[in-house]
Amino acid sequence: NAGVTQTPKFQVLKTGQSMTLQCAQDMNHNSMYWYRQDPGMGLRLIYYSASEGTTDKGEVPNGYNVSRLNKREFSLRLESAAPSQTSVYFCASRTGYNQPQHFGDGTRLSIL
Amino acid sequence: RKEVEQDPGPFNVPEGATVAFNCTYSNSASQSFFWYRQDCRKEPKLLMSVYSSGNEDGRFTAQLNRASQYISLLIRDSKLSDSATYPCVVNTGDTGNQFYFGTGTSLTVIP
Repeated sequence: NAGVTQTPKFQVLKTGQSMTLQCAQDMNHNSMYWYRQDPGMGLRLIYYSASEGTTDKGEVPNGYNVSRLNKREFSLRLESAAPSQTSVYFCASRTGYNQPQHFGDGTRLSIL
Repeated sequence: RKEVEQDPGPFNVPEGATVAFNCTYSNSASQSFFWYRQDCRKEPKLLMSVYSSGNEDGRFTAQLNRASQYISLLIRDSKLSDSATYPCVVNTGDTGNQFYFGTGTSLTVIP
């Protein structure tokens, strides 16, 4: 059972570079989410996709874009990376309303 | 005001102790509640959902108090393997897709 798979696991970028973080789930979940976690803080929601074909902003969407490619895949793009975007990024999915989320093991992103 | 607030701890307790964590939330329209466990530099893993009537899973008991807007987690007979951070999660919003995580409470169980 793969669950939620994120790629890459680690990445180092230079300021201004672009990058796409990939997320795929094999649990046939409807909703998918992208979070960031900074040291000493809780996870903060960047964007979510309630269902295939829809995306919405979360708490901290600035500087990011997302694409729900199909039911399985939800990608997060940084168009012009900034040092403030250095963080651990987690993708999650869930079946539906009032259900818990299941997380991938994260992407550690450093921007120099 | 933060959507979710938690005491970050740390809580250092001996093996076998009982420990309780609380988490307060600000939005009275919040719909669902969860406790997760997060080990250092790892992804959060679901510990348990929190139901209105309270629920128990082995040594873990979760409760919801809607009137005072908090949820709690009780861990009985603490094990060394319980050492981790425990974030609470609150779900709100019109579509039920706005999730707010607490910072997590750090627990260390001491031999």
